[in-house]
Amino acid sequence: AQSVTQPDIHITVSEGASLELRCNYSYGATPYLFWYVQSPGQGLQLLLKYFSGDTLVQGIKGFEAEFKRSQSSFNLRKPSVHWSDAAEYFCAVAFNAGKSTFGDGTTLTVKP
Amino acid sequence: GAGVSQSPRYKVAKRGQDVALRCDPISGHVSLFWYQQALGQGPEFLTYFQNEAQLDKSGLPSDRFFAERPEGSVSTLKIQRTQQEDSAVYLCASSLAGQGISPLHFGNGTRLTVT
Repeated sequence: AQSVTQPDIHITVSEGASLELRCNYSYGATPYLFWYVQSPGQGLQLLLKYFSGDTLVQGIKGFEAEFKRSQSSFNLRKPSVHWSDAAEYFCAVAFNAGKSTFGDGTTLTVKP
Repeated sequence: GAGVSQSPRYKVAKRGQDVALRCDPISGHVSLFWYQQALGQGPEFLTYFQNEAQLDKSGLPSDRFFAERPEGSVSTLKIQRTQQEDSAVYLCASSLAGQGISPLHFGNGTRLTVT
């Protein structure tokens, strides 16, 4: 069965520190890959996406993610975290025009 | 216009009641998706429309759940005889094309509490 794993339920980083959120997927082929962010009481907002080509993709708010086929991973990174980045982050995969499968999310807390 | 709009924002239902949740997608978006998000979990796929055609309803948890999009725009998710396990946030999302081609735009969700 298709699955998306986000191993870290909760991460705390200091403001200005770097960040890496992990995502692994289990599929037979390379899916479309996405990272979304969700603030409390809000819907999900797309941060970035990977369809094909360059395996390092840039997104909004200074985020980037790297697709590693050999590791079935699509980790999200940011060089310097801001207090406003505190939120929940979801990795998602899709194979076609239909449904996406989401991980259970990683909650990011930013210490001042 | 603006983004995806969902109403009501909050809904409290007594067990056994029927509820209807509405989604207004972004104008011109062909695809519309419903997801269920339980507390502390990621969104779980319920169903998918392309225009008025319901192409995938494999995620609907039981025959008490029904979704429609009769004119290819507004969609309604109906839950009959609500149960406590139906308590969750119901998210609607739309996209210009299918998810694999263009990303999803989410509404803020409807939080359903069944008492």
